[in-house]
Amino acid sequence: AQRVTQPEKLLSVFKGAPVELKCNYSYSGSPELFWYVQYSRQRLQLLLRHISRESIKGFTADLNKGETSFHLKKPFAQEEDSAMYYCALRGGYSTLTFGKGTMLLVSP
Amino acid sequence: NAGVTQTPKFQVLKTGQSMTLQCAQDMNHEYMSWYRQDPGMGLRLIHYSVGAGITDQGEVPNGYNVSRSTTEDFPLRLLSAAPSQTSVYFCASSYSGGGPLHFGNGTRLTVT
Repeated sequence: AQRVTQPEKLLSVFKGAPVELKCNYSYSGSPELFWYVQYSRQRLQLLLRHISRESIKGFTADLNKGETSFHLKKPFAQEEDSAMYYCALRGGYSTLTFGKGTMLLVSP
Repeated sequence: NAGVTQTPKFQVLKTGQSMTLQCAQDMNHEYMSWYRQDPGMGLRLIHYSVGAGITDQGEVPNGYNVSRSTTEDFPLRLLSAAPSQTSVYFCASSYSGGGPLHFGNGTRLTVT
């Protein structure tokens, strides 16, 4: 079975502070991992995927197979980063399993 | 391309009523799926399809039916609505075998 754990329901930081949203996964094979972002009452949008190894809106995420983690990081948070963030794993054919999400609030 | 289109955006039902949530995509994606989003629960997979004529159950399929007669469309049917089905429903699609999911704008359903 595949599982995604996001231990924090809410993360509150001040503008300019570093941000790390945690994601741990459970899967016996080689997973494909994603971060999705959902701004207030909008659709989910892809933020990052681990195979791309790119930085989007200043966010990065590194897959650590030893620790089975895929934490999302940004060195300096902006107010417009406030949103719900979901970590997701594809282990099987095409089905994505999502974590419960972390709400990021960036205060001025 | 319109991407993934969901209708309606909002719906209020009474307990016991039935309805169909529509989902269409114009990206020629083989894989389509329905999720429900509830506070504190994240997104949970209801049903999915890997191609026309093929559907399968996800994590929370009870009370919902799907069919996939064409590549483009993947409607979700509520047979007899219950208050527990009050939720936001998202349709999503992707190419089979990998790649990101593309989401629709969601349908906010309230069952009274």
